[in-house]
Amino acid sequence: DIQMTQSPSSLSASVGDRVTITCRASQSISTYLNWYQQKPGKAPKLLIYAASSLQSGVPSRFSGSGSGTDFSLTISSLQPEDFATYYCQQSFSTPRTFGGGTKVEIK
Amino acid sequence: EVQLVESGGGLVQPGRSLRLSCTASGFTFGDYAMSWVRQAPGKGLEWVGFIRSKAYGATTEYAASVKGRFTISRDDSKSIAYLQMNSLKTEDTAVYYCTRDGSLPYWGQGTLVTVSS
Repeated sequence: DIQMTQSPSSLSASVGDRVTITCRASQSISTYLNWYQQKPGKAPKLLIYAASSLQSGVPSRFSGSGSGTDFSLTISSLQPEDFATYYCQQSFSTPRTFGGGTKVEIK
Repeated sequence: EVQLVESGGGLVQPGRSLRLSCTASGFTFGDYAMSWVRQAPGKGLEWVGFIRSKAYGATTEYAASVKGRFTISRDDSKSIAYLQMNSLKTEDTAVYYCTRDGSLPYWGQGTLVTVSS
């Protein structure tokens, strides 16, 4: 199974900050990597698919990069509605494993 | 518009069975693999399993934690995917999400399954 290691597990940031979350795969997954945002009581929302493609309707302050084993999600200027938990997921092989999540909190 | 609607969740006793349904619309259901993902209270996301499209034999794969107890099936004529859960354990308590697999995934809103006596 491919292990997905996400870091940090939590972070505190202020509105307007640039925030980067990283995700590392235990083996190469090419660009088969998705990023999700989840708010309490809600289903995960797709932000980025295929490592760097922005899902329709998602603000352009979100961006994804990486290939192979190392990936990142960047929020260029954190907004109040961005405080949430973020997950990466690989879709290269089964089981389709998730990272452990990164909780972004208000500083 | 792609929509996935899960149903069938509820309270069930340990050892009993439950079947979840995922009704799809807005895309050609038969062309896609469908997955189930769950999230226990206060925990992260866990992939449960998936079923490939008929073009790929409608074969299934499962997480080790549910293999032998859970079965995924599909009815392409009705655009429905199913998750049959047998021998349920308290640790199966979670919100269960149906997702469309592939390069552009979609998720349903989830259905809560509570396993408790």
